[in-house]
Amino acid sequence: EPEVTQTPSHQVTQMGQEVILRCVPISNHLYFYWYRQILGQKVEFLVSFYNNEISEKSEIFDDQFSVERPDGSNFTLKIRSTKLEDSAMYFCASSEGVAPQFFGPGTRLTVL
Amino acid sequence: GENVEQHPSTLSVQEGDSAVIKCTYSDSASNYFPWYKQELGKRPQLIIDIRSNVGEKKDQRIAVTLNKTAKHFSLHITETQPEDSAVYFCAATPNRDDKIIFGKGTRLHILP
Repeated sequence: EPEVTQTPSHQVTQMGQEVILRCVPISNHLYFYWYRQILGQKVEFLVSFYNNEISEKSEIFDDQFSVERPDGSNFTLKIRSTKLEDSAMYFCASSEGVAPQFFGPGTRLTVL
Repeated sequence: GENVEQHPSTLSVQEGDSAVIKCTYSDSASNYFPWYKQELGKRPQLIIDIRSNVGEKKDQRIAVTLNKTAKHFSLHITETQPEDSAVYFCAATPNRDDKIIFGKGTRLHILP
C-alpha cells in the first residue's frame, strides 16, 4: 500500500539556521499539507497546497515558512530562520480529494 | 474558526471491555470527522471517518457516531486489546476547507 514518506527523520539545527523538510506524497494525490505537533500536544495545521499554490495557511505559518513543490514528486517545507519554539514533529499529509488525509512518518526538528 | 474539544484526556480500560471517547465541535458547517490513532513516535493513522450525512459508521470493533444537532461525535472501541493502547485524536474539517482541526487527544491504556 503506498505511503507518504518524509526525510530526514530527525533534523538538528542551530537557532537562526534554515531547514528544509522533504516529503514525497502518495503519487496520485493532488492535495498536500503540513502539520506540526509539539511534544505531547495535538497536531496543528500549518498549510495546505493544491494546484501549485497555497490554498490555506494558519497563523503559525508566518513569513518564516514557505512551501514548494519543486518537481512532480517532492513537497517541501522551508523554515528560513529557525527559532527554539519551532522544535516539533512536522508531518506531511496528502489526499486524493479533500479527504481523507494520509500522514507521513514525520520529521523531528530540534532547534538548539 | 473551528474548535474541537475531546475528552477524556486519559482513559484506562480493562482488556476486553469497551472504550468510548467523546468530542464536540463548534462549527456547524463542518462536514467530515476523521479519527486518528497515534502510537508513540509514529504517524497519525486514520482508523475511521464519518461524513455529516451519516449518523453512525462501524468497522469491525470500531464505531463512530455523529450527532449534528448537538455537534458531538464519539468513538467506540469494543472488545479492547493490548494493541489498542495509543493516543486517539478526533478531528473535524470545516465546510469547504481542507484543513483538519484536531482535538487534544485521548491516551488510551488497555490494562491486562
